[in-house]
Amino acid sequence: DIQMTQSPSTLSASVGDRVTITCRASESISSWLAWYQQKPGKAPKFLIYKASFLESGVPSRFSGSGSGTEFTLTISSLQPDDFATYYCQQYSGYSRTFGQGTKVEMK
Amino acid sequence: QVQLVQSGAEVKKPGASVKVSCKASGYTFTTYPMHWVRQALGERPEWVGWINTGSGDTKYSDRFQGRVTITRDISASTAYMELTGLRSEDTAVYYCARDKTGNDYWGQGTLVTVSS
Repeated sequence: DIQMTQSPSTLSASVGDRVTITCRASESISSWLAWYQQKPGKAPKFLIYKASFLESGVPSRFSGSGSGTEFTLTISSLQPDDFATYYCQQYSGYSRTFGQGTKVEMK
Repeated sequence: QVQLVQSGAEVKKPGASVKVSCKASGYTFTTYPMHWVRQALGERPEWVGWINTGSGDTKYSDRFQGRVTITRDISASTAYMELTGLRSEDTAVYYCARDKTGNDYWGQGTLVTVSS
């Protein structure tokens, strides 16, 4: 199984900060990577697919990059609604695996 | 608009089975595969399996092989996930999620609690 590792696990930031989250795959997944935002008690929300394509309706302050085994999610200017947990997910082949999550909390 | 509506919370005893449903609306059901993902409290989401809603073909995570069955009823635009031999570690929220280069729409989740 392909393993996904995110860093950091927790990130303390303020409104307006630029935030970067890293996700590493245990083997190459080309660009078959998605990013999700999750708030307590809610289903994950789809943000980015194919590593860098923004889902319709997602604010442009979110961006993704990377290919192969290393990927990043960037929030250019953190907004109050962005405090949440973020997960990466690989979808290379039939199976899916998620990273352990990065909690973005208020500094 | 696309909606995935799941069945309600379940409480089961160890060894029992549970079947969760996911009714899709707002799109042609057979166009996109459907995944099932579970998430225990405080843990990362865990992929359970998926179904090609057109052909009925399925793929399951090795962790659930032999215990999980995913089916669909095209006439009802509904997917189902059945998990047998429940144990306390199966306590989690179970989600269905549509597949479109990643999972773009998710159900609201169904809490399955396994307790004696």
